[in-house]
Amino acid sequence: GAVVSQHPSRVICKSGTSVKIECRSLDFQATTMFWYRQFPKQSLMLMATSNEGSKATYEQGVEKDKFLINHASLTLSTLTVTSAHPEDSSFYICSAGGQQNSNQPQHFGDGTRLSIL
Amino acid sequence: AQTVTQSQPEMSVQEAETVTLSCTYDTSESDYYLFWYKQPPSRQMILVIRQEAYKQQNATENRFSVNFQKAAKSFSLKISDSQLGDAAMYFCAYRDTSGSRLTFGEGTQLTVNP
Repeated sequence: GAVVSQHPSRVICKSGTSVKIECRSLDFQATTMFWYRQFPKQSLMLMATSNEGSKATYEQGVEKDKFLINHASLTLSTLTVTSAHPEDSSFYICSAGGQQNSNQPQHFGDGTRLSIL
Repeated sequence: AQTVTQSQPEMSVQEAETVTLSCTYDTSESDYYLFWYKQPPSRQMILVIRQEAYKQQNATENRFSVNFQKAAKSFSLKISDSQLGDAAMYFCAYRDTSGSRLTFGEGTQLTVNP
């Protein structure tokens, strides 16, 4: 079946570092991918919609310059947390699939646990 | 805007028993998709079951079934013969037919007691 790969699964780094997270659709093309942030025991919060070949659409309250999204190909979207600080520590998940007028579900990556020291 | 509500933050069930998780949603659309996802401690998001709004028949997947009440905008999940491996956070989700964006509920943490 369809698989979404997310890498890395865990990042621990110093404050001020920029961190890049990759999301790949392994056996299908994804013109749209989604990036979520999840705090412990809470729901997934949509941060942005990544659009292949165009700018990402950010949700209200999400800083575009802080969370850079690039979707340069039909199988890869990247999220870069720039100059990360401890408050950026969280669990980040990407998803792809579930095209318009299709009952096919979105498929999720395994997530990235980001810890900023 | 669509909203999804899960009114039960936590639920527990005895192994081998049946439990029902509730979900309500709000939409002005007549056609849409509904999903239940499971998130175990590994935090991987796993699709449990899906339902198309135009289908009157309730979806079933082995021990998992839904009670879809379109007029009431209700989409509950029933887990039969609960197993220890069913312990997880369960999320109800909504999606328009016109897009691929999901709207999630707050989640229900299910504990299965041996």
